[in-house]
Amino acid sequence: QKEVEQNSGPLSVPEGAIASLNCTYSDRVSQSFFWYRQYSGKSPELIMSIYSNGDKEDGRFTAQLNKASQYVSLLIRDSQPSDSATYLCAVNNYQLIWGAGTKLIIKP
Amino acid sequence: KAGVTQTPRYLIKTRGQQVTLSCSPISGHRSVSWYQQTPGQGLQFLFEYFSETQRNKGNFPGRFSGRQFSNSRSEMNVSTLELGDSALYLCASSWTHEGNTEAFFGQGTRLTVV
Repeated sequence: QKEVEQNSGPLSVPEGAIASLNCTYSDRVSQSFFWYRQYSGKSPELIMSIYSNGDKEDGRFTAQLNKASQYVSLLIRDSQPSDSATYLCAVNNYQLIWGAGTKLIIKP
Repeated sequence: KAGVTQTPRYLIKTRGQQVTLSCSPISGHRSVSWYQQTPGQGLQFLFEYFSETQRNKGNFPGRFSGRQFSNSRSEMNVSTLELGDSALYLCASSWTHEGNTEAFFGQGTRLTVV
């Protein structure tokens, strides 16, 4: 069964620090990988997509993909209280497979 | 470009009733997926439609059904509502470009069954 695993958290990070979120997946042939942010009571919002090994940076966000080890991570630099949310990892191989999400809390 | 539109935003129904939710995808997107999300839970996949055909289906009872129209708009229907069907129902439209697919969510319909 195809699976995407995330630590449910909560992950507590001081404001200004780097938040590191991790995700592992089981299907080795997965091709594309996504990070979504979901605020409480709201719908998920796509914040990063990554398709090839290595790092992809967008502002304070960096996605890292290692297909050999089957993990994808999201780094948030200079964490802000507004980054407090649940972060969902999704892996696409003909169908999006979702992790259960990691709750991130940024402490002022 | 307009985003994904879901209607209604909020709904209160009684056990045993049925409900229909609507989703209008982003213009040009042909795939629509539906998800159920309950408090503290991740996204539970219901089904995906592409060009009016159900392409994938999750592990939900037959009370949950859907369809897609020729203009890509989609509806999902839940019959004989149960208290446990209370949830946020999310629709996502997606497109594939150069072999890569990205999905975008509507604001969701919050269904409360009493």
